[in-house]
Amino acid sequence: GEDVEQSLFLSVREGDSSVINCTYTDSSSTYLYWYKQEPGAGLQLLTYIFSNMDMKQDQRLTVLLNKKDKHLSLRIADTQTGDSAIYFCAEIPPGGGADGLTFGKGTHLIIQP
Amino acid sequence: ETGVTQTPRHLVMGMTNKKSLKCEQHLGHNAMYWYKQSAKKPLELMFVYSLEERVENNSVPSRFSPECPNSSHLFLHLHTLQPEDSALYLCASSHEAGTGSNSPLHFGNGTRLTVT
Repeated sequence: GEDVEQSLFLSVREGDSSVINCTYTDSSSTYLYWYKQEPGAGLQLLTYIFSNMDMKQDQRLTVLLNKKDKHLSLRIADTQTGDSAIYFCAEIPPGGGADGLTFGKGTHLIIQP
Repeated sequence: ETGVTQTPRHLVMGMTNKKSLKCEQHLGHNAMYWYKQSAKKPLELMFVYSLEERVENNSVPSRFSPECPNSSHLFLHLHTLQPEDSALYLCASSHEAGTGSNSPLHFGNGTRLTVT
């Protein structure tokens, strides 16, 4: 199985909250990341959370971490059309950062008017 | 401006051609990466360079040849590619590559490669 798993699609209405979920496998991961990829562009770091934290909030973004269940979520409040993108969850893999990061397949966030 | 610039943005090449992808970072980072992004597959790490030394080569076919002449530039030389190599090739950099480092990756916008 994959190291990092995400749903492939999420559809929400404009103005609602979006919650994108991710499960990871390496309990020793020190940092977990959320990246955003807009059409035709590379990945943009949105936010990250250190493993000793349960929650991190940054304006409309809230990251929740459940270490026991190895579950990470990204909540986007008041979702706008500009939030339409693919969102990637990523962790530092076993062995450390020399291997880069391990990414999920990405969740395509679709905004309905 | 992402701080990581990739050229060209799009490339179409035949299976007998030789071409190169270029990546340049203006962030003062010491580590650079090549990733391959194919449809419906996770990002695949291809190569990692730290301080201009290759530290990772994930069983990538020899038709892909990386080069890192200095910490700001990274190339991916391509020759005799196959149609299944068509993908988005992303370059990234980070302050350092090492165990336990919190050194987020900064990505370029990628080169969309089509092999005909």
